[in-house]
Amino acid sequence: AQSVAQPEDQVNVAEGNPLTVKCTYSVSGNPYLFWYVQYPNRGLQFLLKYITGDNLVKGSYGFEAEFNKSQTSFHLKKPSALVSDSALYFCAVRAEYNFNKFYFGSGTKLNVKP
Amino acid sequence: DAGVTQSPTHLIKTRGQHVTLRCSPISGHKSVSWYQQVLGQGPQFIFQYYEKEERGRGNFPDRFSARQFPNYSSELNVNALLLGDSALYLCASNDRAGGYTFGSGTRLTVV
Repeated sequence: AQSVAQPEDQVNVAEGNPLTVKCTYSVSGNPYLFWYVQYPNRGLQFLLKYITGDNLVKGSYGFEAEFNKSQTSFHLKKPSALVSDSALYFCAVRAEYNFNKFYFGSGTKLNVKP
Repeated sequence: DAGVTQSPTHLIKTRGQHVTLRCSPISGHKSVSWYQQVLGQGPQFIFQYYEKEERGRGNFPDRFSARQFPNYSSELNVNALLLGDSALYLCASNDRAGGYTFGSGTRLTVV
C-alpha cells in the first residue's frame, strides 16, 4: 500500500535560518515524489518533484528536497527561511505504475518568525 | 494561459441536499482528478477521469459521482449530503509527466 508520513504537525524557524520539513513514504516500485504548498483558503501550489535522476531536486522559491531511497525519505529544505514561506506544506507520492492517484501526507504547518 | 478553474468558490448546503461542483482543466489537458481535503488533513483522492472515462476511484461512497465532458471539463456530484462532507474540494489537471496543477478549490459547508 502507498502512504506518506509527515511526522511534524508544525515546524517553527526564525527568518534567515535553514528549514527542513520531513517526509517519509511507502510505495510499491519506484516512487514519484512531490511537494506542494498551500496558503490559507487556497489550492495547492507545486514546489518540486522527484521522478528520477539526481537525489537533490531544486524547485520553486528556493526550495529543494533530497531523495533518500534507503531511508524512504524526501525531506524539503531551504537554506534561508523567509516570513512569506509560512504556509502548510504537503508531501505526496504516487506509484510508478499508477498514473492516476496521489497519496498525500497530513501536512506540516511552517511558521517562520521575524 | 488559464490555470485550473473551479466553481463555485464557496457554497453552503443543508444535510440531505445535492451539490454539483465544476472544474475546467488547463487547456490541452485531458485528465482531471478530484480530491477532498477535510480541515486539518491532506487531500484524499476521489476520482480521476481521462478522455471522459473514469480511470480511478478512491474510497468514497456511491453518493459521490463525477463525469467529464467532451471539452474535458468535469463535474463532481454529491448526493444526500452529510455534515462530514464539509471540506475543500480540489480539482487537479493532470499533465503527461504525471504532475498535478490544482485549482483553488470549492469550499463546501454542510449545515
